[in-house]
Amino acid sequence: AQSVAQPEDQVNVAEGNPLTVKCTYSVSGNPYLFWYVQYPNRGLQFLLKYITGDNLVKGSYGFEAEFNKSQTSFHLKKPSALVSDSALYFCAVRAFRSNDYKLSFGAGTTVTVRA
Amino acid sequence: SQTIHQWPATLVQPVGSPLSLECTVEGTSNPNLYWYRQAAGRGLQLLFYSVGIGQISSEVPQNLSASRPQDRQFILSSKKLLLSDSGFYLCAWSPSLAGNYEQYFGPGTRLTVT
Repeated sequence: AQSVAQPEDQVNVAEGNPLTVKCTYSVSGNPYLFWYVQYPNRGLQFLLKYITGDNLVKGSYGFEAEFNKSQTSFHLKKPSALVSDSALYFCAVRAFRSNDYKLSFGAGTTVTVRA
Repeated sequence: SQTIHQWPATLVQPVGSPLSLECTVEGTSNPNLYWYRQAAGRGLQLLFYSVGIGQISSEVPQNLSASRPQDRQFILSSKKLLLSDSGFYLCAWSPSLAGNYEQYFGPGTRLTVT
């Protein structure tokens, strides 16, 4: 079984401050990990993924995420948040080499960046 | 490049009426296809997925069904809608080739059952 936990329903930060959205995962074996962003009444947009290699992954719109195997975490970060980063963020996991194509998504974290 | 389309964008239907939502993907072949429902702007619930024409896996037994009549077409249906079927329906695709595992989502359909 595979699952993702996003421990914070909401994250509030001031524009220009660092943004962190937390994600922990549970999977048998090595994970494939993903971050998505969703704006109101829109589909999910892919931000970045970790498959293998460097633990720090860089993605779209200045976001990055750090894979930590010992802590089973994949936190999303942005050094300087923008008001336009306000959205709903989802973390997702899939087991490495699984023949099952399904992703397991977290419940989502709402990010609000105040001007 | 690949694109994914969903229609309609919004739909208001009375209880007991039928439903048909369509999803098509362009620019790729033999994609894996998925239907999700999102309630109240929060978590995603996987409803169905398909790895090929006519191959449908159901994740949650409910009032809905899915079909894949063509390689890049995925249809979500219901014979009789319930109030609880209201929600935001998202179609997604992923490449079937090894090495790419992320899913790409369509713009969604907002369904309101009255």
